[in-house]
Amino acid sequence: DAEITQSPRHKITETGRQVTLACHQTWNHNNMFWYRQDLGHGLRLIHYSYGVQDTNKGEVSDGYSVSRSNTEDLPLTLESAASSQTSVYFCASSQEPGPMSYNEQFFGPGTRLTVL
Amino acid sequence: DAKTTQPNSMESNEEEPVHLPCNHSTISGTDYIHWYRQLPSQGPEYVIHGLTSNVNNRMASLAIAEDRKSSTLILHRATLRDAAVYYCILRALYGGSQGNLIFGKGTKLSVKP
Repeated sequence: DAEITQSPRHKITETGRQVTLACHQTWNHNNMFWYRQDLGHGLRLIHYSYGVQDTNKGEVSDGYSVSRSNTEDLPLTLESAASSQTSVYFCASSQEPGPMSYNEQFFGPGTRLTVL
Repeated sequence: DAKTTQPNSMESNEEEPVHLPCNHSTISGTDYIHWYRQLPSQGPEYVIHGLTSNVNNRMASLAIAEDRKSSTLILHRATLRDAAVYYCILRALYGGSQGNLIFGKGTKLSVKP
């Protein structure tokens, strides 16, 4: 069955280290998204992509970067991890033509990141 | 951005219907009303969406007010598995970034056996 996976599921790192979270989907969806969720808050959009070589900044993009070299993957990189980036990170994908938004997004299981 | 207002929490008894309200008084003509839910320790999952007419699927029903300034998600027979945070979200159909999912705090639904 098609799916969306995230790895690792849990990670502990130190302040200042570079960290990359993986997101892989097998639906061949055009659009992919990264969100973070902090305790007591809803999800906030970090970066998103409408296709290969396309990336866009979301609401809370500072300190994060993404690249889209193929359809299936959108890795999220924390250039220099900070304690404020301790959070649960969710990846999502959807099949819509570019910026149109009528279809559902499918979410991964999440990665819990702790920055010490 | 058009915003939504939901109660922080609601309680229901198992096997009874649940009506989850959402107010969106500043909705524009091309905004779709989407509902997602998030079970404990999981990513959000899509529930239903609609524009003007009431909608039904295997998970729930969506009742949209005639003036579109409010909507109600209806779970016909709540189960323990329906205990989750429910998010009501407006998405602009042709809005580019305005069509992105903007999550508020949602309504935490508790289901009692």
